[in-house]
Amino acid sequence: EAQVTQNPRYLITVTGKKLTVTCSQNMNHEYMSWYRQDPGLGLRQIYYSMNVEVTDKGDVPEGYKVSRKEKRNFPLILESPSPNQTSLYFCASSPRVTTYEQYFGPGTRLTVT
Amino acid sequence: EDKVVQSPLSLVVHEGDTVTLNCSYEVTNFRSLLWYKQEKKAPTFLFMLTSSGIEKKSGRLSSILDKKELFSILNITATQTGDSAVYLCAVEAWGTSYGKLTFGQGTILTVHP
Repeated sequence: EAQVTQNPRYLITVTGKKLTVTCSQNMNHEYMSWYRQDPGLGLRQIYYSMNVEVTDKGDVPEGYKVSRKEKRNFPLILESPSPNQTSLYFCASSPRVTTYEQYFGPGTRLTVT
Repeated sequence: EDKVVQSPLSLVVHEGDTVTLNCSYEVTNFRSLLWYKQEKKAPTFLFMLTSSGIEKKSGRLSSILDKKELFSILNITATQTGDSAVYLCAVEAWGTSYGKLTFGQGTILTVHP
């Protein structure tokens, strides 16, 4: 089944404790992206990747890191999480370097205390 | 900085009503405008619009883009309770921002029986 998977789905952590949210797609998609969603703010793009070893900042990259060493994986790293990073995170991928046909993962709800 | 503004932020209607959702944007090197529907999970793609004045339709939903006035509308006719969702508008651009997506805040639509 074609899908984007994210792990973990729910995470409660403490300020400063490094964490990684994994994202994997099995569709051989070139484009992958991370978003965060907060009430009243819609979706905001954190980072995106056009292909392996190519990543770019979105609108809200501060406090996050990403890497794209393999086509299928695009992990999101929070080196030192803070409470303002409490949010719902979505990973997405699309077949070409065009964003309209994005497939979204199920989301990761992160709480930083 | 690219900007997308949706209105209204929320809307409550009864089944059978027709609704119009608005999306205005400011973006350098506009490429496309996208509409997504989000229920209690990840967003799903509705429409992509690139050309002015050409209506896209899918059942009771339709959308049109005005590139001169920099806005798009999403119409839903004969609304049903299943149309209750958050509707998100996003724009993407060419050039150095190619691959970057900017979303609006979303419109929360509630359809009562």
